Amino acid sequence: KQEVTQIPAALSVPEGENLVLNCSFTDSAIYNLQWFRQDPGKGLTSLLLIQSSQREQTSGRLNASLDKSSGRSTLYIAASQPGDSATYLCALANAGGTSYGKLTFGQGTILTVHP
Amino acid sequence: NAGVTQTPKFQVLKTGQSMTLQCAQDMNHEYMSWYRQDPGMGLRLIHYSVGAGITDQGEVPNGYNVSRSTTEDFPLRLLSAAPSQTSVYFCASSSHPRVSNSPLHFGNGTRLTVT
Repeated sequence: KQEVTQIPAALSVPEGENLVLNCSFTDSAIYNLQWFRQDPGKGLTSLLLIQSSQREQTSGRLNASLDKSSGRSTLYIAASQPGDSATYLCALANAGGTSYGKLTFGQGTILTVHP
Repeated sequence: NAGVTQTPKFQVLKTGQSMTLQCAQDMNHEYMSWYRQDPGMGLRLIHYSVGAGITDQGEVPNGYNVSRSTTEDFPLRLLSAAPSQTSVYFCASSSHPRVSNSPLHFGNGTRLTVT
């Protein structure tokens, strides 16, 4: 059974700092890994998707990497802003066995960027 | 472009009542799914569908029914509401998971309270 762990559970940084969020997983049989952002009381918004065959994806100040061999992904946020404050979740689309097609989510990292 | 639309936004039920949470998407997505989000438990898959007429159970299916008579709609039925079903429910859709570059699109959620 796929298990996804996100560290740290919460992070508070001053504006302008570069930061890294971590996601680890136990089963490398995946179609893709996605990073989502969730604002309080809202749904999840997809930020980046890394296909199984890729190593990283970039969008603006965000960069996500994937290392299947070690079961790890990182989300790098450059020059953080107060508007980046939200919960960040990673999710894997499982490719193996009875988990086919299902996404497994981490519990998220709560990010606070203070001015 | 509406994306994924969930109704209602809020609902209060008494124990034993039944109701249907509605979900519709206008992106012609094959894959639709229902999650519940609880503090400390993360997002858990309830049911999912890979196309019209095809549904399957997720991680926590007990107490819920689904059907997929059209590509656009994927309603979630609570048969006899229990306080343990108090949660925030999210509907999500994407192209088939085998399409490995297909991000998941979420609705804004339904906040359900069962008293």
